[in-house]
Amino acid sequence: SQKIEQNSEALNIQEGKTATLTCNYTNYSPAYLQWYRQDPGRGPVFLLLIRENEKEKRKERLKVTFDTTLKQSLFHITASQPADSATYLCALPQAGTALIFGKGTTLSVSS
Amino acid sequence: EAQVTQNPRYLITVTGKKLTVTCSQNMNHEYMSWYRQDPGLGLRQIYYSMNVEVTDKGDVPEGYKVSRKEKRNFPLILESPSPNQTSLYFCASSTGADNQPQHFGDGTRLSIL
Repeated sequence: SQKIEQNSEALNIQEGKTATLTCNYTNYSPAYLQWYRQDPGRGPVFLLLIRENEKEKRKERLKVTFDTTLKQSLFHITASQPADSATYLCALPQAGTALIFGKGTTLSVSS
Repeated sequence: EAQVTQNPRYLITVTGKKLTVTCSQNMNHEYMSWYRQDPGLGLRQIYYSMNVEVTDKGDVPEGYKVSRKEKRNFPLILESPSPNQTSLYFCASSTGADNQPQHFGDGTRLSIL
């Protein structure tokens, strides 16, 4: 079955820098990959989706890449702010519309 | 406002006392799902439903039941809760179409003593 690894449990960066989070998967390349943000005590909130035929997707300060050869997606936040501090989850489709989630990377942006 | 509503948000109870966590969505979504989230294990799917009267097991269904009698509601039932079901539970919904995002509730923190 598909396995997802988000390499860093925690990432600490300074305000203004670019944060880069990694999501690796082990088996078949999925048709798409999603990224979510989760704040403490709240449910995950959808951020971006990237399809297998898309190399890159952008939304404001967010950028996601998808490399099916490396079996990897990178999630970038440029000009990071303390308000970007949260846990970020990647998710891949499993059977049907079910999603399998990574364990997440907790980003802390210090001012 | 589009939302997924879970109740209760917090519950402390004892082993063996049946409980139900309700989940309701107002987006007319066909797909609904329950997850549990534990430290170090991430989000794991318990059950999901593709439509009314259609439910399927996820990755960790043991000790749980669900029902989908109406499109908007998807309750999670613990018939005989045990301490290993202490966790943070999330309900989610989506249109059911491929690649559509899931909308999550704010979670229910269950403590089984």
